[in-house]
Amino acid sequence: NAGVTQTPKFRVLKTGQSMTLLCAQDMNHEYMYWYRQDPGMGLRLIHYSVGEGTTAKGEVPDGYNVSRLKKQNFLLGLESAAPSQTSVYFCASSFPPGTAVYEQYFGPGTRLTVT
Amino acid sequence: LAKTTQPISMDSYEGQEVNITCSHNNIATNDYITWYQQFPSQGPRFIIQGYKTKVTNEVASLFIPADRKSSTLSLPRVSLSDTAVYYCLVVNNTNAGKSTFGDGTTLTVKP
Repeated sequence: NAGVTQTPKFRVLKTGQSMTLLCAQDMNHEYMYWYRQDPGMGLRLIHYSVGEGTTAKGEVPDGYNVSRLKKQNFLLGLESAAPSQTSVYFCASSFPPGTAVYEQYFGPGTRLTVT
Repeated sequence: LAKTTQPISMDSYEGQEVNITCSHNNIATNDYITWYQQFPSQGPRFIIQGYKTKVTNEVASLFIPADRKSSTLSLPRVSLSDTAVYYCLVVNNTNAGKSTFGDGTTLTVKP
């Protein structure tokens, strides 16, 4: 049982390049999330999904796109990277809010640097 | 969105009890409170969840007053390994997108 895994762990991009971050979970969770965490700051929700085939915007969605084609995977895309997107990206998954214990399980993070 | 406010940092010594308070003045009826712990270079980890009054598990207690405008995470007898950032997260029961992390409290436990 691997929990939540993220690929890659580190990445350096040049401004304008594109990339996709992959998140996978093996806990059969309906909900999945993408957060970014800037140095010394809390986590900000980028996009989330409440089930396969669904996505929704979070607090800071601009510059990112997501897809949830399979229940276990949640992809985060950057179409044209900008230095302001330099951050650590965390994926999380959970059962729906309202279950007995609403716990988000987080992956180890992807450290992205855009130069 | 229920905005949360926490102290930026706290210091403590090994063996002491630590109380970290989070303010969430505009909490809604169908919101509840969760707390997470984060070590450097790791994702946050769930500690405890509550709606009102007191909740206790094997690692912490959570105190929520009747008006629910604040909550206090209590860590009994902290050790050096409890040095971490602690986040209060107000979760909406029906809309996961309306959950917001605050900036967290950096707890430093000294020997």
